[in-house]
Amino acid sequence: QQQVKQSPQSLIVQKGGISIINCAYENTAFDYFPWYQQFPGKGPALLIAIRPDVSEKKEGRFTISFNKSAKQFSLHIMDSQPGDSATYFCAASRGGTSGSRLTFGEGTQLTVNP
Amino acid sequence: EAEVAQSPRYKITEKSQAVAFWCDPISGHATLYWYRQILGQGPELLVQFQDESVVDDSQLPKDRFSAERLKGVDSTLKIQPAELGDSAMYLCASLRPHTGELFFGEGSRLTVL
Repeated sequence: QQQVKQSPQSLIVQKGGISIINCAYENTAFDYFPWYQQFPGKGPALLIAIRPDVSEKKEGRFTISFNKSAKQFSLHIMDSQPGDSATYFCAASRGGTSGSRLTFGEGTQLTVNP
Repeated sequence: EAEVAQSPRYKITEKSQAVAFWCDPISGHATLYWYRQILGQGPELLVQFQDESVVDDSQLPKDRFSAERLKGVDSTLKIQPAELGDSAMYLCASLRPHTGELFFGEGSRLTVL
């Protein structure tokens, strides 16, 4: 059972453009929604995370938008740079600070062309 | 900045052989995870430890996989015997207390021939 669905599978944008990656979840008990960035040969690194009590969170060029009623959340990368080229994973868990299991999406491979 | 250490980075083995991976989490992180990541997919949890105790091993194929964290610090994941389908990246992660933030190591890439 895939509890977190991510799209698109791959994304190509031009430098300076906006990258948008979407995720949908099924389990309404989820209350912690992080995004991870992974470069080839490296482990995933936490990028930004949101909890369902807010609809948007921004950190620098990265923004999470959260729609609780639709059970969807998305990552927006503004002014995308070639250095942003990586695989991005959304994830979800319940009781997030307690460290319960994170369920990951299948990933989006982002390529930012110079 | 402190990191999660894993070894070996790469392991090539023949099927039916035994393999072992080691992880040293960030100091002070009581919760430790082993994830498996198949190429082109997201990580999937194998086992979660709280100190030396297993919290969740529901997705661990216990007929061939075992994990331990005897002193509640570093951890070992073992596969015996390895099968072709075990080829994947094995990621260790530790949890910063009270934040939900997972810190991953660089992983151990396993190739089973």
